[in-house]
Amino acid sequence: DVKVTQSSRYLVKRTGEKVFLECVQDMDHENMFWYRQDPGLGLRLIYFSYDVKMKEKGDIPEGYSVSREKKERFSLILESASTNQTSMYLCASSREQGAGTDTQYFGPGTRLTVL
Amino acid sequence: GQNIDQPTEMTATEGAIVQINCTYQTSGFNGLFWYQQHAGEAPTFLSYNVLDGLEEKGRFSSFLSRSKGYSYLLLKELQMKDSASYLCAVRDLGGSYIPTFGRGTSLIVHP
Repeated sequence: DVKVTQSSRYLVKRTGEKVFLECVQDMDHENMFWYRQDPGLGLRLIYFSYDVKMKEKGDIPEGYSVSREKKERFSLILESASTNQTSMYLCASSREQGAGTDTQYFGPGTRLTVL
Repeated sequence: GQNIDQPTEMTATEGAIVQINCTYQTSGFNGLFWYQQHAGEAPTFLSYNVLDGLEEKGRFSSFLSRSKGYSYLLLKELQMKDSASYLCAVRDLGGSYIPTFGRGTSLIVHP
C-alpha cells in the first residue's frame, strides 16, 4: 500500500514564524502536491511538483513556498506565518502525469494553528 | 478551469440508498474522481469515471454523463461508517493534469 506521511498531525505557531511542513511518500511517485482544506471551501491546491527540484504554483500559492530536493520528500514552507494560514494542510502523491486513473494518495494532514 | 457543484450536506437512514450528485463545467473533460473523507482523516479514492455509464464497486457505484456534465455516487445498504464527506474532483485536458476538487458533500447516516 502507498503510504504518505506528514511530519506532524497538530502544530501551533506564532504570527511571523517560519513554518516547515514535511511530507514523505514511499512508493516512488513522480508527483507530489500540497493542499489546504478549509470548511466550506474544500481542497485548494497550493503547489505541486512533478519531478525532483521542479515545482509549479497551484491556485493559492501566495505566502507559501515549497522544496523538493529528493523524490520522496516534498516540503511546504510558510515564510512568515499569518493567522489566515490557520488550516488543515494535506499532502498527496500520484504515480505519473495524467495517466489513466492516476489516483492521488493523501497523507493524514497537519492541522496548523497560527496565533 | 472547472466549476464543480455538489450539495453541502445530506442525511440518510441506515440500510437505505443515497445518491450524491456532482455537476461540473469544463473546457475539456478528462476524468472524474470520487473520494471519501472521514472526519479528521485523509481522503481515500473511491472511483474514477472517464466514459459515460455506471461503474459498480460493491455497495458503491458511480455514474457519468459527459454530455450533461453530471456524475453521481450511489451508496447502497448504508452503514453508519458511511458517514463522511464525499469529494468530487474533475480533471480537464488543458493546462495541468491535476483534478480540481468540489467543496464536498457531508453525508450523515442515522439509525
